[in-house]
Amino acid sequence: DAGVIQSPRHEVTEMGQEVTLRCKPISGHNSLFWYRQTMMRGLELLIYFNNNVPIDDSGMPEDRFSAKMPNASFSTLKIQPSEPRDSAVYFCASSLSARTGRNNEQFFGPGTRLTVL
Amino acid sequence: EDQVTQSPEALRLQEGESSSLNCSYTVSGLRGLFWYRQDPGKGPEFLFTLYSAGEEKEKERLKATLTKKESFLHITAPKPEDSATYLCAVQARTGNQFYFGTGTSLTVIP
Repeated sequence: DAGVIQSPRHEVTEMGQEVTLRCKPISGHNSLFWYRQTMMRGLELLIYFNNNVPIDDSGMPEDRFSAKMPNASFSTLKIQPSEPRDSAVYFCASSLSARTGRNNEQFFGPGTRLTVL
Repeated sequence: EDQVTQSPEALRLQEGESSSLNCSYTVSGLRGLFWYRQDPGKGPEFLFTLYSAGEEKEKERLKATLTKKESFLHITAPKPEDSATYLCAVQARTGNQFYFGTGTSLTVIP
C-alpha cells in the first residue's frame, strides 16, 4: 500500500487566495483526520470523518475552513480566503476504526506545507 | 478535560546513554495510548499502541510501558538515528479523536 497520499506537498499563496489541500487515505480505512501542526501549538485536530461523515469539526478555526469527503478514497480541506496565520503544515491521517477499540492507530501522510504571504 | 503532557520538551543524549521519555495523561476512560516518531519534514510514524495498565511493547531499542496515569518510552543504548521528535497520543473510549502531546525532541550525539 502506498500509505496516505497528500497533495500538494508545498503550497505558497498570497493572502486572500483560496487554497485546497487533498488527501487519499489508505484503502480500507474508514476514518480520516485533518490536523494542523505549528511550532507554537503542536498538532491540532481540525476535523475527522467516519465512514465519509463529518463527526467532529470543533477544531476548525473559522468559517474560512471547510472540509469534504465525497467518497471513501478522497478528502479535501479548503481555506477561503487564506490568511498569513494559516501558514502551517497540514496533515491528513487515516485509521481503521473498529468497535473493539483495537488497531485504531492512525497513519499519517507526508503533509502539505502551506505558506500564505 | 482530556489532556496529554510530555516531558522533557527536549533531551540530548550521548550515544549509548539510556533514558526515558514521559507521557502523562488525563482521559475519561482510555481506549488506547499511542507513541509516534516524527522526523523533520515528515508525518508522524506509528510506533506502539498500549491498551491497559501493565502492558509493555518493544521494538529494537525502544520499549513503551503504561500505567493508569502515564506512559514511558524507554530508549536503551540510543544511536544517532534515533534522533527525532517522539509524540504521545491518547484516545478516549468515547469518540475517535486522538489527543496529542507536544512531543519530546530527542537528539543523540555520536
